[in-house]
Amino acid sequence: ILNVEQSPQSLHVQEGDSTNFTCSFPSSNFYALHWYRWETAKSPEALFVMTLNGDEKKKGRISATLNTKEGYSYLYIKGSQPEDSATYLCAPDNAGGTSYGKLTFGQGTILTVHP
Amino acid sequence: DGGITQSPKYLFRKEGQNVTLSCEQNLNHDAMYWYRQDPGQGLRLIYYSQIVNDFQKGDIAEGYSVSREKKESFPLTVTSAQKNPTAFYLCASSITGGATDTQYFGPGTRLTVL
Repeated sequence: ILNVEQSPQSLHVQEGDSTNFTCSFPSSNFYALHWYRWETAKSPEALFVMTLNGDEKKKGRISATLNTKEGYSYLYIKGSQPEDSATYLCAPDNAGGTSYGKLTFGQGTILTVHP
Repeated sequence: DGGITQSPKYLFRKEGQNVTLSCEQNLNHDAMYWYRQDPGQGLRLIYYSQIVNDFQKGDIAEGYSVSREKKESFPLTVTSAQKNPTAFYLCASSITGGATDTQYFGPGTRLTVL
């Protein structure tokens, strides 16, 4: 089973703070990285899919970068709001694209934004 | 509304009983997945299916079985051979099962074995 590490495990910030967290994964046979947001009592929801080294994706106040050579991705949230409180999951595909969507999820970073 | 439904939301079973969790999608997706979540762990893949009548084991398939007789449906049976079945189970689907396809998740079923 692939080793996917997310840090920190949990994070408490104040409303308006900017924050970031990390997803580390093996660089060998990398094909794609997915980021999901999972709010309490809801289903996980896709944020980004990234494939190329140096990729940067943005959705509102949330952005992500990808370094496939060293095997990490950063997720940034600018000006956190209470509604950003959720667990953020990353999931790489390290089967060279032949895995038919067989993703390996990290344990997630739990973000709590205090008003 | 298009989406994925899982039933029931909560399920209680006695030890030693088999139990089947339902997953249905009306998104016309080819691929479907079953994941398990335990506290402090990431989602772990149990089984996946890219096409009707075909499925593959994921990372933790022991003690589970699936079927894919219809495109819309991918039921998961938790058998008595599963040593620690109490967990939260999530079903997902994607358009083709490609590595860059977004997976869409159902609301989950929480199984408690007494």
